[in-house]
Amino acid sequence: NAGVMQNPRHLVRRRGQEARLRCSPMKGHSHVYWYRQLPEEGLKFMVYLQKENIIDESGMPKERFSAEFPKEGPSILRIQQVVRGDSAAYFCASSPWQGARETQYFGPGTRLLVL
Amino acid sequence: SQELEQSPQSLIVQEGKNLTINCTSSKTLYGLYWYKQKYGEGLIFLMMLQKGGEEKSHEKITAKLDEKKQQSSLHITASQPSHAGIYLCGAAGGIARGKLIFGQGTELSVKP
Repeated sequence: NAGVMQNPRHLVRRRGQEARLRCSPMKGHSHVYWYRQLPEEGLKFMVYLQKENIIDESGMPKERFSAEFPKEGPSILRIQQVVRGDSAAYFCASSPWQGARETQYFGPGTRLLVL
Repeated sequence: SQELEQSPQSLIVQEGKNLTINCTSSKTLYGLYWYKQKYGEGLIFLMMLQKGGEEKSHEKITAKLDEKKQQSSLHITASQPSHAGIYLCGAAGGIARGKLIFGQGTELSVKP
């Protein structure tokens, strides 16, 4: 059973470009979470999705960031018009169900560098 | 909002020594998770604790959750260089909430 997969592992963008980060959850997992780890900061929750639904986006910046988890295919975290402050490691996690007792399994992350 | 504080922030130990990392929550913990992160990599799940007084072990790592469910400790016995990395505690944002809140991490170095 393959783990959570993320691609690309590294992404370089110039200011103003778009960044698309992909996450394929573990087989059988229908809950996906995105987290961001800024340099010298902790891991912060961004958004929680189920298939075709955004359940909790309380950690998403109000502008330029969006996420989706379509019926078919991976979850996508999209960042429009990137700025240098978006440089960070973005992690995706998945779980089979929601709730405090469901372990989230993390992918290797995508490291975004904005020049 | 709930906050998790880890101590110490960093730790350097000699190989073979025991060590303890603490994680303290500002609110009751519904589920407490321990992860390990190696530099430049993702998070590896170690253990999850739910019940007050619960203790779990895996190889040389033992995690405990106190009776009041507001503090957890991670203990490594006879540390090895392979234990080096960043240890993160995470807590569910609520009993039915999906998101995890993380502590700032404890960076462990093990000297051969």
